[in-house]
Amino acid sequence: AQSVTQPDIHITVSEGASLELRCNYSYGATPYLFWYVQSPGQGLQLLLKYFSGDTLVQGIKGFEAEFKRSQSSFNLRKPSVHWSDAAEYFCAVERLTGGGNKLTFGTGTQLKVEL
Amino acid sequence: DVKVTQSSRYLVKRTGEKVFLECVQDMDHENMFWYRQDPGLGLRLIYFSYDVKMKEKGDIPEGYSVSREKKERFSLILESASTNQTSMYLCASRSVDNSYEQYFGPGTRLTVT
Repeated sequence: AQSVTQPDIHITVSEGASLELRCNYSYGATPYLFWYVQSPGQGLQLLLKYFSGDTLVQGIKGFEAEFKRSQSSFNLRKPSVHWSDAAEYFCAVERLTGGGNKLTFGTGTQLKVEL
Repeated sequence: DVKVTQSSRYLVKRTGEKVFLECVQDMDHENMFWYRQDPGLGLRLIYFSYDVKMKEKGDIPEGYSVSREKKERFSLILESASTNQTSMYLCASRSVDNSYEQYFGPGTRLTVT
């Protein structure tokens, strides 16, 4: 069965420091992978997605992610974190079912940014 | 911009009550989804609808039902609310084009006492 693991529940970084959030997936075929962000009191917003092609994908708000098939990973990175990046981040994989495609989400990583 | 709205941001209900959560999207999306979000568990799919009057169970459908009579509206129904259904409920919609992006509403925080 498809699954997504985000091993870090909480991460704290200083403003201006670099960030990497880890995501590992389990999926038989080439996965469709996503990163979503949830700011306090908000719904989820798509940061970026990977379907195929270039394994380094760029997203909104200066985020990028790299797909590594050999490691079954899709880690999210940002070179310099801003205080407004404090939020919860979810990795997700698209799975195929009889009724249509659905997302399986990881358990999320809460990012705290210290000023 | 795509907009997904949910009828209430906060809701408090008593055990045994029938609860309706409403979701409306304004982008003519075919697919709509209901998730619940709990700390440490991420988002879990309750039900989804791939078109009007069509529905499919997600990963945790027990205790819930859904209704989709119009394309823009997807309702989640708790037939007899229980305290273990206290949670954040998120609705999402998606077009059937190849973008696969789901658009989320702000959520309804339901407390069952």
